[in-house]
Amino acid sequence: QQQVKQSPQSLIVQKGGISIINCAYENTAFDYFPWYQQFPGKGPALLIAIRPDVSEKKEGRFTISFNKSAKQFSLHIMDSQPGDSATYFCAALNSGGSNYKLTFGKGTLLTVNP
Amino acid sequence: NAGVTQTPKFQVLKTGQSMTLQCAQDMNHEYMSWYRQDPGMGLRLIHYSVGAGITDQGEVPNGYNVSRSTTEDFPLRLLSAAPSQTSVYFCASRVGLPYEQYFGPGTRLTVT
Repeated sequence: QQQVKQSPQSLIVQKGGISIINCAYENTAFDYFPWYQQFPGKGPALLIAIRPDVSEKKEGRFTISFNKSAKQFSLHIMDSQPGDSATYFCAALNSGGSNYKLTFGKGTLLTVNP
Repeated sequence: NAGVTQTPKFQVLKTGQSMTLQCAQDMNHEYMSWYRQDPGMGLRLIHYSVGAGITDQGEVPNGYNVSRSTTEDFPLRLLSAAPSQTSVYFCASRVGLPYEQYFGPGTRLTVT
């Protein structure tokens, strides 16, 4: 059972455009939603994270939008740059759970064309 | 801080061989975990540990063994390698709060 569904699998955007990646979750106990960025040959690294008490969080060109009632959250990359080309993973965590396991989506390969 | 370190970076094994992937962190993190990454499958949790002496299974534990004798180290053992275990393996660690998880650079394993 996949608890976090991520779409699309791949995305091609022109330089300067907006990249949007969506995730949906099922477990209403999730209360921490991070996004990870992974460059080829490297481990994933935390990009930005949100808690469900806010509907939006922005850090530079990266914004998370969160819709608690729809159980969905998305990553928006404004003014996308070729250097943003990477694989992006959404994830979710139940901080009140006994095992603190992060549940990951399957990833989105973003390509930003110059 | 070196963060999370993994050795080796690359490994080729023959079917049936055993080996240990090493993972160490110097951030005094309680929580450590092992993932495997395969194309189209995302990051799948193999085993995890919430502290020294405490380990538990993730979603794909078969064929792998772990132990956690110290806070710093969390080795992953392949008991009898199979071609299905060809993958990239990532070790990760974090504290309870603020939940940011740090990943190592990965080990690319090929089983022939």
